[in-house]
Amino acid sequence: NAGVMQNPRHLVRRRGQEARLRCSPMKGHSHVYWYRQLPEEGLKFMVYLQKENIIDESGMPKERFSAEFPKEGPSILRIQQVVRGDSAAYFCASSSAGSFPGANVLTFGAGSRLTVL
Amino acid sequence: SQQGEEDPQALSIQEGENATMNCSYKTSINNLQWYRQNSGRGLVHLILIRSNEREKHSGRLRVTLDTSKKSSSLLITASRAADTASYFCATDARGGGYQKVTFGTGTKLQVIP
Repeated sequence: NAGVMQNPRHLVRRRGQEARLRCSPMKGHSHVYWYRQLPEEGLKFMVYLQKENIIDESGMPKERFSAEFPKEGPSILRIQQVVRGDSAAYFCASSSAGSFPGANVLTFGAGSRLTVL
Repeated sequence: SQQGEEDPQALSIQEGENATMNCSYKTSINNLQWYRQNSGRGLVHLILIRSNEREKHSGRLRVTLDTSKKSSSLLITASRAADTASYFCATDARGGGYQKVTFGTGTKLQVIP
């Protein structure tokens, strides 16, 4: 029963390149969340998706960032034309609406660490 | 800004001592959760306390919730070196049509053997 799988674990990109981060949610989970964490800081919400739908993207920068969760395959967080300020750890979490009635308990992946040179 | 603010930001104690971390938040919540993050790893859910509960225990963890003061505390008793990690509170509140989980800034705990 694999947990949330994220890849790559580490990604190095030069300024202007594209970064693609993948997340496969825990088996049975249909809700996916992406968070960003800067060193020594807390987690900042970016986007919440269900299969083929973006539910809440209020934390996502308007430009260069996009996310999807297709019917088949993992969720992908895409960052175009990366800049040094995009260097961070990006965490994916998943949840199942029914596991904790009235609550939303998240299962996290190990994160993808993006370094922009 | 973050919904939850943890206090202290960092805490260093000797093995065997108790560790107390506090969390304050701003808006009404349905539940409050605590998560733990080991260095370089993802977060792991520790415990959830509902808004109508005042205290909850799980092993060496004790969580309290005071909704009138919008605050919560996490107590780890008889700490061990393996408890060294960052601890985050997360508020779970209805917003935007779903249960939105918002994390605080975290407390970095170091337990010295």
